[in-house]
Amino acid sequence: GAVVSQHPSWVICKSGTSVKIECRSLDFQATTMFWYRQFPKQSLMLMATSNEGSKATYEQGVEKDKFLINHASLTLSTLTVTSAHPEDSSFYICSARAGQLTYNEQFFGPGTRLTVL
Amino acid sequence: AQSVTQLGSHVSVSEGALVLLRCNYSSSVPPYLFWYVQYPNQGLQLLLKYTTGATLVKGINGFEAEFKKSETSFHLTKPSAHMSDAAEYFCAVSPPFSGNTPLVFGKGTRLSVIA
Repeated sequence: GAVVSQHPSWVICKSGTSVKIECRSLDFQATTMFWYRQFPKQSLMLMATSNEGSKATYEQGVEKDKFLINHASLTLSTLTVTSAHPEDSSFYICSARAGQLTYNEQFFGPGTRLTVL
Repeated sequence: AQSVTQLGSHVSVSEGALVLLRCNYSSSVPPYLFWYVQYPNQGLQLLLKYTTGATLVKGINGFEAEFKKSETSFHLTKPSAHMSDAAEYFCAVSPPFSGNTPLVFGKGTRLSVIA
């Protein structure tokens, strides 16, 4: 149980276009979802925290107008990278929490590799 | 506030040797502690977690970790390394009632296993 999927697993786009990444909790309801960015050989960098039906809370330094997060339901959150540029190329990982019944464990998606040309 | 320190960004062991990955935490309340593993180009997978009760926690793939409150440590061990253990390992901490607060991760330790 507790499976999180991400789609697409990898995407290549041209500079200036927008890219949407979906994160789904397949067998549980995610009270909270988190979006991370990871550069090669580095740790996870938290971008934002979102709750279903609420506006996402962005970490300092993350442009909320560039990285649009929507948490429309308890099983789906999306991250849209608007007007992508090469510096946005990275590995994006989502994570979902099912609540305190799972001792705050975060379940991670497989990640999405974004390459902006 | 909570924090995690992983000593050693890179650990290299021979196949069959003991694996020891160090994690120290800082927390003002009794913490929940986690170890995750990340294989290349993949998400994070939970290895094990400590919440309450027995301080020696056994996880998947033969890993275990011991919560030592007096040392504020949660080191990860495996008696005999296998080539497939080569990956990035992250220690994380959370207070018991964290609400929407995400886990606090260490910077990670890359484990290399030499044949």
